[in-house]
Amino acid sequence: DAGVTQSPTHLIKTRGQQVTLRCSPKSGHDTVSWYQQALGQGPQFIFQYYEEEERQRGNFPDRFSGHQFPNYSSELNVNALLLGDSALYLCASSYTGEETQYFGPGTRLLVL
Amino acid sequence: GNSVTQMEGPVTLSEEAFLTINCTYTATGYPSLFWYVQYPGEGLQLLLKATKADDKGSNKGFEATYRKETTSFHLEKGSVQVSDSAVYFCALSPSAGNNRKLIWGLGTSLAVNP
Repeated sequence: DAGVTQSPTHLIKTRGQQVTLRCSPKSGHDTVSWYQQALGQGPQFIFQYYEEEERQRGNFPDRFSGHQFPNYSSELNVNALLLGDSALYLCASSYTGEETQYFGPGTRLLVL
Repeated sequence: GNSVTQMEGPVTLSEEAFLTINCTYTATGYPSLFWYVQYPGEGLQLLLKATKADDKGSNKGFEATYRKETTSFHLEKGSVQVSDSAVYFCALSPSAGNNRKLIWGLGTSLAVNP
């Protein structure tokens, strides 16, 4: 049983560019959450998707957007990248009605 | 609002020493509490959880008890190993609704020396 997978593992972009990160949830899970983890910090909640809709959102600007597909996989898009967007981006999946979230290995984004 | 406070690291121990990492929380209602571990260069792995007061979560020799009276969820292990070197995060899931977002502490880095 595959766990949560994310791609790519690493990414380097320059300021002003746009990036798309991808996540496939654990088999049987229908909810995907995205977190940003800056170096030496705890994760910060970006948003959560269920049934292809954004269900919750954290305190992140509109430059951060997402999408969930019918197969429950998800994308995180970040526009107009800033140096401060450099971080590890974590995807977590869960099943509706259960609160435990399972995390992927993350995508490490570096903005130069 | 909801928040989690962890003891600051880094924590450095010798192999077979006793470990305690303190975690306290602020929350309305009855949150669920979690400990996650992050090994170098990896994502977060669920270590243990507790969903109601006085529950004890345990896994791989680690334990934590949900103490509502002291709003705490301290992580303990009786005898640490070098392989336990990692960053440990305490987190809570608020009590309202399903699939709630997780609220995290800043993490505590643990280094175990042979």
